[in-house]
Amino acid sequence: GEDVEQSLFLSVREGDSSVINCTYTDSSSTYLYWYKQEPGAGLQLLTYIFSNMDMKQDQRLTVLLNKKDKHLSLRIADTQTGDSAIYFCAESLGGFQKLVFGTGTRLLVSP
Amino acid sequence: EADIYQTPRYLVIGTGKKITLECSQTMGHDKMYWYQQDPGMELHLIHYSYGVNSTEKGDLSSESTVSRIRTEHFPLTLESARPSHTSQYLCASISPGQGDHTFGSGTRLTVV
Repeated sequence: GEDVEQSLFLSVREGDSSVINCTYTDSSSTYLYWYKQEPGAGLQLLTYIFSNMDMKQDQRLTVLLNKKDKHLSLRIADTQTGDSAIYFCAESLGGFQKLVFGTGTRLLVSP
Repeated sequence: EADIYQTPRYLVIGTGKKITLECSQTMGHDKMYWYQQDPGMELHLIHYSYGVNSTEKGDLSSESTVSRIRTEHFPLTLESARPSHTSQYLCASISPGQGDHTFGSGTRLTVV
């Protein structure tokens, strides 16, 4: 089935690390993505990981993929107030035909 | 800077009106998508296109229709808007290779 799940809400203090988790169900997904959505805006691609990778680091962002457990996480180091947004994980299905999105995690960063 | 553009950004319209939401991309991408997103909720695919003259319905049933006469344009039309159509509509196109979507800023539609 197509079901991508995320926790709904995460609150951290500025300077702390944030970890947003995602579970997916389709083991045939080729790529997994993290998108950021700020209020009233479209989605911005943050990073992606190919399914044969375990980890990908891009500046403050670290993506971990546990393919056995179908678990994906996004770690944001030194979280800033500007990181407050909704974060969606997504998996691509059927040769990039479509993305299936998670429910989104609302990250709130307090000063 | 976004290379995919949606207009209008916000639209408030009365029940029964016909509306067209515009989506254009300058990247020459063949595959384009429309997603519907209710406030604070996940996105659902409602239409997609593999190229000119190709359109398919997505996972979420929608009363809207789409057309793809030119590569760069993928407009979405509601023949008779209803309050249940109130939502945000996001257009996207896909780059060859890793398949990540580039999204427009969205059209927030309110039907009163």
